[in-house]
Order: sequence, then C-alpha cells, then structure tokens
Amino acid sequence: QSVLTQPPSVSGAPGQTITISCTGSSSNIGAGYDVHWYQQLPGTAPKLLIYGNISRPSGVPDRFSGSRSGTSASLAITGLQAEDEADYYCLSYDSSLSGSIFGGGTKLTVL
Amino acid sequence: EVQLVQSGAEVKKPGESLKISCKGSGDTFNNYWIGWVRQMPGKGLEWMGIIYPGDSDTRYSPSFQGQVTISADKSISTAYVQWSSLKASDTATYYCARYGIQGWGIDHWGQGTPVTVSS
Repeated sequence: QSVLTQPPSVSGAPGQTITISCTGSSSNIGAGYDVHWYQQLPGTAPKLLIYGNISRPSGVPDRFSGSRSGTSASLAITGLQAEDEADYYCLSYDSSLSGSIFGGGTKLTVL
Repeated sequence: EVQLVQSGAEVKKPGESLKISCKGSGDTFNNYWIGWVRQMPGKGLEWMGIIYPGDSDTRYSPSFQGQVTISADKSISTAYVQWSSLKASDTATYYCARYGIQGWGIDHWGQGTPVTVSS
C-alpha cells in the first residue's frame, strides 16, 4: 500500500473535467513537501506533467493543472481528450522514510 | 537536450547477478541526484533509491535496502543498480531518473530497462 493514496481509476467523457486526488500525511504533503505529477502512456516512461504543486513544464497544455491543500494534492484535467487516456502518478518526499514516495497511480479512461 | 540512456533488456535466471546502467550527458549527472524506480508488470511506480554521482552519496528506500546496490561512475556519467542474486520477483522494468526540480522532483527519465527473471 502506497504512502500517497490515489484513486485506482477515474473516467470521463471527451470535453469533461476530471480530478485525481493524492492524499498523504503530516510527514510528506502535510509537512510542506512539493507534489509533482507524471503521465505514463502505455509502454512508455513517465513524463513530467506538473511540478512544484502547480507549475507546468513548457509544452504541457494548460488543460492540466495542479493544486495542494493540507495533506492532499490534486490534478485536474479540463476538456478531456482521447489522448489523455493514461496512468497518472503523484510524487513527493517523505521525512519519516527519508526519501521519495509515489502514489499508487490512477488509470484515466476517456469514455 | 537532456538524455538518460539505459542499457538493454535482460533475461536472467534466479540466483544470477545483474548490473544495469544509465548514462547521461555530463551536465545531467555530476550536478544532480539520479534515482532508480521499479515498475513491476501491470503495477505502479516504486522508488528504490538515489545517488549523487558527484560524491556517490547514496540513499535507499527501506523496501530496497540490502536488496540492490546503487552506484555511479562520474567519470563516464553513468549510474548503476545491481543485484547479487536475482529472484523471480525482481522481474520488472527499471527506470533511472534525474532529480532536476527543486523539491525533490524528477524532470527527466530514462527509457527503462526490462528485466525478466525466470528459470
């Protein structure tokens, strides 16, 4: 079981908005450590989507946005497109483990 | 362009040893932490540990401490993870990744090295 909890799956129709949560604790997100989000398409390496809780690397559409509050963070995708169908992971640092931690991953299905 | 190029797929038997590699451009390695991540078939990402090639400072996830050895050779900008005695449960794809973002964030990934351990 991952230290960061994500829903195993979410789904939405094209054009809709979905959110993926990443729930941690006082030793990681709640301690103020940044949350980063990654998209993994089938058979490929993960790709950086959101860094530092809210920032987008160049080339990532503004349909993707991140937020953090308390011991949780969220990734929102607006205007869903078929190409968004992928697995999504959150990443943070945990002080009790003295290392990085990933969320369990969320599979997004575009209906 | 930042590049992390990993060694190719491996097929091994239980009990065998293995060392896989991750080579980056010079600036990619010597000034950044490099991490290793495991992804078992059909499963999520698991953080194994990190190394700072500049001084070989290494940290492990408790789940992987004693199971693998992470090392680096800064003279050739290459990081490694090795096993002394593989198990079937080591079957996975292994990714190296560069911690290039403030706040322990990964900005670049290698292409992955699939490892199959089967008798």
